[in-house]
Amino acid sequence: GAVVSQHPSWVICKSGTSVKIECRSLDFQATTMFWYRQFPKQSLMLMATSNEGSKATYEQGVEKDKFLINHASLTLSTLTVTSAHPEDSSFYICSAREDAGGGMGEQFFGPGTRLTVL
Amino acid sequence: QKEVEQDPGPLSVPEGAIVSLNCTYSNSAFQYFMWYRQYSRKGPELLMYTYSSGNKEDGRFTAQVDKSSKYISLFIRDSQPSDSATYLCAMSADYQLIWGAGTKLIIKP
Repeated sequence: GAVVSQHPSWVICKSGTSVKIECRSLDFQATTMFWYRQFPKQSLMLMATSNEGSKATYEQGVEKDKFLINHASLTLSTLTVTSAHPEDSSFYICSAREDAGGGMGEQFFGPGTRLTVL
Repeated sequence: QKEVEQDPGPLSVPEGAIVSLNCTYSNSAFQYFMWYRQYSRKGPELLMYTYSSGNKEDGRFTAQVDKSSKYISLFIRDSQPSDSATYLCAMSADYQLIWGAGTKLIIKP
């Protein structure tokens, strides 16, 4: 099956610094990538949808200036948490969609990145 | 009211039991229904994918969709300790997934 990787898998940073998380589709081209965050014992919350070569679409309540998303190629999307604060500590998961001709393409999920902001 | 309702559990059953996991939803436009398994500190893994109503079977897993009742189920036969995980239902009208809260399942040896 299709594989999505994330890097790093775990990052600890100081408050006020910025952190970049990479999401890669390893064996398919992902026109659309999604970024989720998940707090402990809670479900996934969609943060933004990004299409290759265009600006990301952010969900209501998600600060686009704080969570910068770049989808520069069909295999790579990055999420940068700028000026991170302890409340940004969470599990960040990306998924990539392999479009299936007009229908809903299956989303493949990365393993997630655990961010801890001290 | 949430669009997708799922009991968070935990649900604890003995090894070998049949497990039934359920979600209800309110949006009649949903056509795609999925079940994901998520182990602790890992990303979700797709288990079952169903379009519209009906049943789908894959090994020990059976997914059922009843659109008239807006109710979906995942059955796990001959449950194993390795099935212990959080199971999330997700559904969609187009491509954006709407998630349930996830049910934590514990299979006791």
